[in-house]
Order: sequence, then structure tokens, then C-alpha cells
Amino acid sequence: DTAVSQTPKYLVTQMGNDKSIKCEQNLGHDTMYWYKQDSKKFLKIMFSYNNKELIINETVPNRFSPKSPDKAHLNLHINSLELGDSAVYFCASSQDRFMRGEETQYFGPGTRLLVL
Amino acid sequence: GQNIDQPTEMTATEGAIVQINCTYQTSGFNGLFWYQQHAGEAPTFLSYNVLDGLEEKGRFSSFLSRSKGYSYLLLKELQMKDSASYLCAVKGAGNNRKLIWGLGTSLAVNP
Repeated sequence: DTAVSQTPKYLVTQMGNDKSIKCEQNLGHDTMYWYKQDSKKFLKIMFSYNNKELIINETVPNRFSPKSPDKAHLNLHINSLELGDSAVYFCASSQDRFMRGEETQYFGPGTRLLVL
Repeated sequence: GQNIDQPTEMTATEGAIVQINCTYQTSGFNGLFWYQQHAGEAPTFLSYNVLDGLEEKGRFSSFLSRSKGYSYLLLKELQMKDSASYLCAVKGAGNNRKLIWGLGTSLAVNP
């Protein structure tokens, strides 16, 4: 009964390839996120979807394209992979707690991407 | 600009108490989160403060002063398993649910 799951856990690929990472949450949340954590451990928000609508789109190369087929799934496709894309990619989800405004984000286990 | 500051590293002894500070400057404030991240793992939620004061949860407590733009995470009766990175994050203004993250404080607990 995993709350937020990601596949694959590890991804090793050559420069120039195209790859996808998948994320699913079974918490019933309506908002999902993609983060990139580099070697310096800084968590950088990339995208966020609320009920399949894109609400956060940070300054990210357009080689990165998110897709949310439904509110329980958020996938990330990366074209023409570069060495600098090597990082850990975390998916997260949250539920709008309107009255309290909490919206705690719960993270998936991460996908460790290594571009050679 | 928006900024969150935390010490980069701290060390403490098993059984002791440690306080990890976080100061923030953000456009608006809608709450502050503390997360714990063990090496090679995902961040996990520890605490949330939106009103001034202390929130206690077992061995962990978190304090907030909105007027000072300041929070701290207090860890009591330290255990070896508390060695991890502790991340401070602030929810700013707006409805896009975006968190502004600090770089994290790497805590090493020594026997």
C-alpha cells in the first residue's frame, strides 16, 4: 500500500536518448509535483499539476515535458538527455486543506537518473 | 527576492538536544514545513507551523515567529538514526502551492 510510487527507481542511459519517468499516488490527492535534486541536495520544483491542470511551470528546458492523464498520475518525459540532467527526480503529491491551508507534500522514493 | 537560510552542517551527541534554525524572507507567508531526508531516501514530513508558537510531536518540536521570519526544529534525546538532512520550506503567497526550500542542514549524531 505505497502512497506515492515512481518507476523506474534507477535509470542509466546515454546522452541524446529520450526517457520517461512515471509517478502514481493512491492518496486521493489532487495536486502532484516533479522536483529535481542535484548533487548539492537542493530541491528544485519543476512542474505541478492540480486536477490535471498545469499550475507550476518553472524555468525548465523544454526538453522536459510533464503529462497528467488523471489526477493520480503524473509522468515526466525527457528528450535528448544531457549530462547535466543527471540527478534524483522526486514526485510528490498534496491535498488542499483549504481551511487550514496545510497542503503537506508527500514524496515518492525518487528516480536516480544517470546520463553517460 | 525569496530566501531561506539554514546552517549547512551540525554535529551533536547521542542523547543530547539540538536546535536547527531557519530564517526566511518570502513574498507572503502561508506556513512553514520541516522535512527529514536520510541519505539516498525521499524527504519525509516532520512538522508544519502557520501560527506563532511551539508545536510538539514526541521528540521533535518546531517553533515559529512570523514577525522575525524565524523557525527552529528542536530534536530531543538524539538517536543515531536522527543523522539526516533537515529541510526547511516555506509556502509563500499565491494559490499555486509552491514551496520555497532551504538547502538543508546535515545533522551528524555521534555516539
